[in-house]
Amino acid sequence: AQKVTQAQTEISVVEKEDVTLDCVYETRDTTYYLFWYKQPPSGELVFLIRRNSFDEQNEISGRYSWNFQKSTSSFNFTITASQVVDSAVYFCALSASGTYKYIFGTGTRLKVLA
Amino acid sequence: GAVVSQHPSRVICKSGTSVKIECRSLDFQATTMFWYRQFPKKSLMLMATSNEGSKATYEQGVEKDKFLINHASLTLSTLTVTSAHPEDSSFYICSARGLAVRGDTQYFGPGTRLTVL
Repeated sequence: AQKVTQAQTEISVVEKEDVTLDCVYETRDTTYYLFWYKQPPSGELVFLIRRNSFDEQNEISGRYSWNFQKSTSSFNFTITASQVVDSAVYFCALSASGTYKYIFGTGTRLKVLA
Repeated sequence: GAVVSQHPSRVICKSGTSVKIECRSLDFQATTMFWYRQFPKKSLMLMATSNEGSKATYEQGVEKDKFLINHASLTLSTLTVTSAHPEDSSFYICSARGLAVRGDTQYFGPGTRLTVL
């Protein structure tokens, strides 16, 4: 069975703090994809990153960085120097190759306080 | 690139009426479109998957006759909530994937908030 766990329901930080959102997944497939999406109060899910199971390189995009570790089945997301505009719900998702269906985590609500 | 639109963004209707929600991929051809439902402060629940020109595949527990899905073209899918009742009130989100835009990635529409009185 496939599963995505985002254990952090809600996190509050003060602006400029760094924050890491955890994502742990379960799958028996050898080929799969992991994703992070941001859902601001407006409701639209914004694509942030896609990572396939064969690429364990960490990625950095501006203030965002992702740490993929197959050994611990984790795909964590770090925001450096957080800003109020980062306040949103962040979802981690898993997709097995060929199915195209997503298994979503329950989301982490991030509140960045000014 | 990879923009998905939804219309309407909000709809309020009376109980017993039917409501149609459109999902369009604006700058790519969507091989597959997905319909989700999201309850307040909850995750997304996949309702159905539709491929252009074929019948939608519904997830377990989703009523096919209640939620009619049509994927008539490579850029348009519609969800019709038939004989809507207050319990159908929710946030409905569509997504689309296309071979030309990272085939395994879903791009989401802005969502439609349905309120049934």
